[in-house]
Amino acid sequence: AQSVSQHNHHVILSEAASLELGCNYSYGGTVNLFWYVQYPGQHLQLLLKYFSGDPLVKGIKGFEAEFIKSKFSFNLRKPSVQWSDTAEYFCAVNRRGNNRLAFGKGNQVVVIP
Amino acid sequence: DVKVTQSSRYLVKRTGEKVFLECVQDMDHENMFWYRQDPGLGLRLIYFSYDVKMKEKGDIPEGYSVSREKKERFSLILESASTNQTSMYLCASSGTPSTDTQYFGPGTRLTVL
Repeated sequence: AQSVSQHNHHVILSEAASLELGCNYSYGGTVNLFWYVQYPGQHLQLLLKYFSGDPLVKGIKGFEAEFIKSKFSFNLRKPSVQWSDTAEYFCAVNRRGNNRLAFGKGNQVVVIP
Repeated sequence: DVKVTQSSRYLVKRTGEKVFLECVQDMDHENMFWYRQDPGLGLRLIYFSYDVKMKEKGDIPEGYSVSREKKERFSLILESASTNQTSMYLCASSGTPSTDTQYFGPGTRLTVL
């Protein structure tokens, strides 16, 4: 079974700091990769996804993620965070052709104004 | 906009009760999913359905069953609720391709006393 690892479950940083959240997966075949975000009191929504092409993908709200196949990683980045980026972030992976998503345990990010 | 709705935001039940959680999507999606979300554990797949009357067990199906009689509706059933089923339950739907985004409902916070 594939698994998804997210480290540093709790992250606290100040506004304007840079954010990088790591995501590693264990499956060796062709995969689709997703980052979802859950803002306080809101439902889970897609930040960005990768399935082919340029390994650097850009999502909403200034987020980007880079797929590094050799490292089985799909790290999320934002150069300068805002207070409104306070949320829980989930990495998710599925095998190409299989709709079942495996989620990581999430990163709780708190941005201090 | 895709809309996934869940029948209740909050639910309190007693141990041993039969519990029904309902989910409806309005995008004619083939796939529907039930997850539970617990702090520090991320999202774990309980069941999913890829077509009407079709279902597949997820990672934690024990103590749960599902029903999909119509394409737009996917129900999660707790035959005899137990305290360890106290959790946030999330429903999601997606189209056929595995690259498709999963769209989530607002969640049902179930407390079993």
